Amino acid sequence: SYVLTQPPSVSVAPGQTARITCGGDNIGSKSVHWYQQRPGQAPVLVVYDGRDRPSGIPERFSGSNSGTTATLTISRVEAGDEADYYCQVWHSNSSQFSYVFGTGTTVTVL
Amino acid sequence: QVQLVESGGGVVQSGRSLRLSCAGSGFSFSSYAMHWVRQAPGKGLEWVAFIAYDGYKKYYADSVQGRFTIARDNSRHTVDLQMNSLKPDDTAVYFCARGARGGNWIDPWGQGILVTVSS
Repeated sequence: SYVLTQPPSVSVAPGQTARITCGGDNIGSKSVHWYQQRPGQAPVLVVYDGRDRPSGIPERFSGSNSGTTATLTISRVEAGDEADYYCQVWHSNSSQFSYVFGTGTTVTVL
Repeated sequence: QVQLVESGGGVVQSGRSLRLSCAGSGFSFSSYAMHWVRQAPGKGLEWVAFIAYDGYKKYYADSVQGRFTIARDNSRHTVDLQMNSLKPDDTAVYFCARGARGGNWIDPWGQGILVTVSS
Protein backbone atom coordinates (compact mmCIF):
# COMPACT_ATOMS: atom_id res chain seq x y z
CA SER A 1 0.00 0.00 0.00
CA TYR A 2 1.04 3.58 -0.60
CA VAL A 3 2.41 5.48 2.40
CA LEU A 4 2.67 9.23 3.00
CA THR A 5 5.06 10.27 5.75
CA GLN A 6 4.87 13.57 7.65
CA PRO A 7 6.86 14.86 10.62
CA PRO A 8 4.83 14.39 13.83
CA SER A 9 5.23 17.99 14.91
CA VAL A 10 6.39 21.41 13.84
CA SER A 11 6.82 24.37 16.18
CA VAL A 12 6.91 27.95 14.98
CA ALA A 13 6.84 31.41 16.51
CA PRO A 14 4.07 33.83 15.52
CA GLY A 15 4.93 35.74 12.37
CA GLN A 16 7.42 33.13 11.20
CA THR A 17 7.07 30.49 8.49
CA ALA A 18 6.03 26.88 9.06
CA ARG A 19 6.89 24.21 6.51
CA ILE A 20 5.21 20.81 6.66
CA THR A 21 6.58 18.05 4.47
CA CYS A 22 4.85 15.01 3.00
CA GLY A 23 6.99 12.24 1.59
CA GLY A 24 5.93 9.38 -0.64
CA ASP A 25 7.19 7.26 -3.49
CA ASN A 26 7.22 9.36 -6.67
CA ILE A 27 4.92 11.88 -5.00
CA GLY A 28 6.05 14.50 -7.52
CA SER A 29 3.86 12.76 -10.09
CA LYS A 30 0.73 12.98 -7.95
CA SER A 31 -1.76 15.70 -7.07
CA VAL A 32 -1.34 16.46 -3.37
CA HIS A 33 -4.03 18.00 -1.21
CA TRP A 34 -3.73 19.44 2.29
CA TYR A 35 -6.20 19.63 5.17
CA GLN A 36 -6.26 21.56 8.42
CA GLN A 37 -7.98 20.03 11.44
CA ARG A 38 -8.41 22.12 14.53
CA PRO A 39 -9.10 20.26 17.82
CA GLY A 40 -12.60 18.84 17.96
CA GLN A 41 -13.45 19.96 14.44
CA ALA A 42 -13.79 18.39 11.01
CA PRO A 43 -10.92 18.72 8.54
CA VAL A 44 -10.90 21.68 6.18
CA LEU A 45 -9.26 21.69 2.76
CA VAL A 46 -6.56 24.39 2.59
CA VAL A 47 -4.66 23.47 -0.60
CA TYR A 48 -5.68 21.25 -3.51
CA ASP A 49 -3.86 20.04 -6.59
CA GLY A 50 -0.55 20.86 -5.04
CA ARG A 51 -0.78 24.65 -4.92
CA ASP A 52 -4.36 25.89 -5.40
CA ARG A 53 -6.37 27.39 -2.55
CA PRO A 54 -10.13 27.08 -2.04
CA SER A 55 -12.01 30.32 -1.67
CA GLY A 56 -11.70 31.71 1.83
CA ILE A 57 -8.28 30.25 2.53
CA PRO A 58 -5.67 32.96 3.14
CA GLU A 59 -2.80 33.45 0.71
CA ARG A 60 -0.50 32.64 3.63
CA PHE A 61 -1.15 28.97 2.84
CA SER A 62 0.78 27.67 -0.16
CA GLY A 63 1.84 24.33 -1.52
CA SER A 64 4.59 22.87 -3.64
CA ASN A 65 5.52 19.41 -4.86
CA SER A 66 8.71 18.04 -6.38
CA GLY A 67 10.58 14.77 -6.44
CA THR A 68 9.80 12.79 -3.33
CA THR A 69 8.43 15.57 -1.12
CA ALA A 70 5.37 17.81 -1.13
CA THR A 71 5.37 20.83 1.16
CA LEU A 72 2.69 22.97 2.77
CA THR A 73 4.03 26.40 3.72
CA ILE A 74 2.25 28.65 6.18
CA SER A 75 3.64 32.18 6.08
CA ARG A 76 3.26 34.78 8.83
CA VAL A 77 1.93 32.15 11.21
CA GLU A 78 -0.91 33.16 13.54
CA ALA A 79 -2.17 31.56 16.74
CA GLY A 80 -5.25 30.35 14.84
CA ASP A 81 -3.06 28.21 12.59
CA GLU A 82 -2.38 25.84 15.48
CA ALA A 83 -3.88 22.57 14.27
CA ASP A 84 -3.16 19.17 12.77
CA TYR A 85 -2.34 19.12 9.06
CA TYR A 86 -2.70 16.16 6.72
CA CYS A 87 -1.58 15.61 3.14
CA GLN A 88 -3.61 13.35 0.85
CA VAL A 89 -3.28 11.75 -2.57
CA TRP A 90 -5.26 9.37 -4.73
CA HIS A 91 -3.35 6.19 -5.46
CA SER A 92 -4.10 3.50 -7.98
CA ASN A 93 -2.34 0.44 -9.34
CA SER A 94 -3.45 -2.65 -11.17
CA SER A 95 -5.49 -3.91 -8.24
CA GLN A 96 -6.10 -1.03 -5.87
CA PHE A 97 -7.78 2.35 -5.83
CA SER A 98 -7.46 4.32 -2.62
CA TYR A 99 -7.37 7.75 -1.09
CA VAL A 100 -4.33 7.95 1.15
CA PHE A 101 -3.78 10.38 4.01
CA GLY A 102 -0.44 11.28 5.48
CA THR A 103 0.43 10.50 9.07
CA GLY A 104 -0.38 14.05 10.15
CA THR A 105 1.63 16.95 11.58
CA THR A 106 0.73 18.95 14.66
CA VAL A 107 1.65 22.60 14.28
CA THR A 108 2.30 24.37 17.56
CA VAL A 109 2.50 28.15 17.67
CA LEU A 110 4.96 29.12 20.38
CA GLN B 1 -24.33 26.55 1.79
CA VAL B 2 -23.16 22.95 1.55
CA GLN B 3 -24.14 20.83 4.53
CA LEU B 4 -23.39 17.22 5.35
CA VAL B 5 -25.03 15.74 8.44
CA GLU B 6 -24.20 12.27 9.72
CA SER B 7 -26.49 10.10 11.83
CA GLY B 8 -26.69 6.57 13.16
CA GLY B 9 -23.63 6.39 15.37
CA GLY B 10 -23.49 4.93 18.85
CA VAL B 11 -22.19 2.04 20.91
CA VAL B 12 -22.31 -1.46 19.48
CA GLN B 13 -20.88 -4.81 20.53
CA SER B 14 -18.07 -6.45 18.63
CA GLY B 15 -19.36 -8.62 15.80
CA ARG B 16 -22.60 -6.68 15.41
CA SER B 17 -23.70 -4.27 12.68
CA LEU B 18 -24.42 -0.57 12.42
CA ARG B 19 -25.61 1.67 9.60
CA LEU B 20 -24.48 5.27 9.26
CA SER B 21 -26.31 7.76 7.10
CA CYS B 22 -25.30 11.14 5.73
CA ALA B 23 -27.73 13.73 4.38
CA GLY B 24 -26.40 16.29 1.93
CA SER B 25 -27.93 19.67 1.13
CA GLY B 26 -27.01 22.93 -0.53
CA PHE B 27 -25.50 21.34 -3.63
CA SER B 28 -26.40 19.11 -6.57
CA PHE B 29 -26.02 15.85 -4.65
CA SER B 30 -26.37 13.54 -7.65
CA SER B 31 -23.42 15.25 -9.40
CA TYR B 32 -20.80 14.47 -6.77
CA ALA B 33 -18.93 11.44 -5.51
CA MET B 34 -19.07 10.89 -1.77
CA HIS B 35 -16.66 9.49 0.82
CA TRP B 36 -16.56 8.15 4.33
CA VAL B 37 -13.38 8.88 6.31
CA ARG B 38 -12.74 7.89 9.92
CA GLN B 39 -10.50 8.96 12.76
CA ALA B 40 -9.79 6.71 15.71
CA PRO B 41 -9.43 8.49 19.07
CA GLY B 42 -6.16 10.41 19.12
CA LYS B 43 -5.15 9.11 15.70
CA GLY B 44 -4.94 10.39 12.15
CA LEU B 45 -7.38 10.32 9.27
CA GLU B 46 -8.15 7.03 7.51
CA TRP B 47 -10.11 6.94 4.27
CA VAL B 48 -12.83 4.25 4.41
CA ALA B 49 -14.97 4.22 1.27
CA PHE B 50 -15.86 6.06 -1.95
CA ILE B 51 -18.94 5.98 -4.13
CA ALA B 52 -19.20 7.64 -7.54
CA TYR B 53 -21.90 10.20 -8.30
CA ASP B 54 -24.10 7.56 -9.94
CA GLY B 55 -23.33 4.76 -7.49
CA TYR B 56 -21.65 2.52 -10.06
CA LYS B 57 -18.05 2.75 -8.79
CA LYS B 58 -17.27 1.90 -5.20
CA TYR B 59 -13.86 1.63 -3.57
CA TYR B 60 -12.97 0.49 -0.06
CA ALA B 61 -9.97 0.56 2.23
CA ASP B 62 -8.39 -2.85 2.74
CA SER B 63 -9.24 -2.64 6.46
CA VAL B 64 -13.00 -2.66 5.76
CA GLN B 65 -13.24 -4.52 2.44
CA GLY B 66 -15.85 -7.26 2.68
CA ARG B 67 -17.33 -5.90 5.92
CA PHE B 68 -18.51 -2.40 5.00
CA THR B 69 -20.80 -1.38 2.12
CA ILE B 70 -21.33 2.14 0.83
CA ALA B 71 -24.56 3.04 -0.97
CA ARG B 72 -26.36 6.20 -2.02
CA ASP B 73 -29.89 7.32 -2.78
CA ASN B 74 -29.76 10.36 -5.04
CA SER B 75 -33.51 10.89 -4.75
CA ARG B 76 -33.14 11.35 -0.99
CA HIS B 77 -29.70 13.02 -1.11
CA THR B 78 -28.24 10.44 1.25
CA VAL B 79 -25.18 8.22 1.40
CA ASP B 80 -25.05 5.29 3.80
CA LEU B 81 -22.31 3.14 5.26
CA GLN B 82 -23.42 -0.35 6.31
CA MET B 83 -20.87 -1.71 8.77
CA ASN B 84 -20.95 -5.43 9.52
CA SER B 85 -18.77 -7.66 11.69
CA LEU B 86 -17.59 -4.66 13.64
CA LYS B 87 -14.35 -4.83 15.60
CA PRO B 88 -13.01 -2.68 18.44
CA ASP B 89 -10.49 -1.26 15.93
CA ASP B 90 -13.44 0.26 14.03
CA THR B 91 -14.04 2.63 16.95
CA ALA B 92 -13.71 6.11 15.49
CA VAL B 93 -15.39 9.32 14.50
CA TYR B 94 -16.79 8.75 11.01
CA PHE B 95 -16.90 11.71 8.65
CA CYS B 96 -19.06 11.97 5.56
CA ALA B 97 -17.43 14.12 2.90
CA ARG B 98 -17.96 15.23 -0.66
CA GLY B 99 -15.63 14.31 -3.49
CA ALA B 100 -14.40 16.83 -6.02
CA ARG B 101 -15.62 17.17 -9.58
CA GLY B 102 -12.59 16.93 -11.83
CA GLY B 103 -10.17 16.14 -9.04
CA ASN B 104 -9.54 13.80 -6.15
CA TRP B 105 -9.59 16.05 -3.12
CA ILE B 106 -12.28 15.78 -0.46
CA ASP B 107 -14.30 18.85 0.50
CA PRO B 108 -16.29 19.72 2.48
CA TRP B 109 -16.68 17.40 5.44
CA GLY B 110 -19.51 16.76 7.86
CA GLN B 111 -18.97 17.23 11.58
CA GLY B 112 -18.56 13.52 12.12
CA ILE B 113 -20.29 10.92 14.27
CA LEU B 114 -18.81 8.63 16.88
CA VAL B 115 -18.98 4.86 16.59
CA THR B 116 -17.79 2.87 19.59
CA VAL B 117 -17.35 -0.89 19.30
CA SER B 118 -17.14 -2.63 22.65
CA SER B 119 -15.37 -5.95 23.06
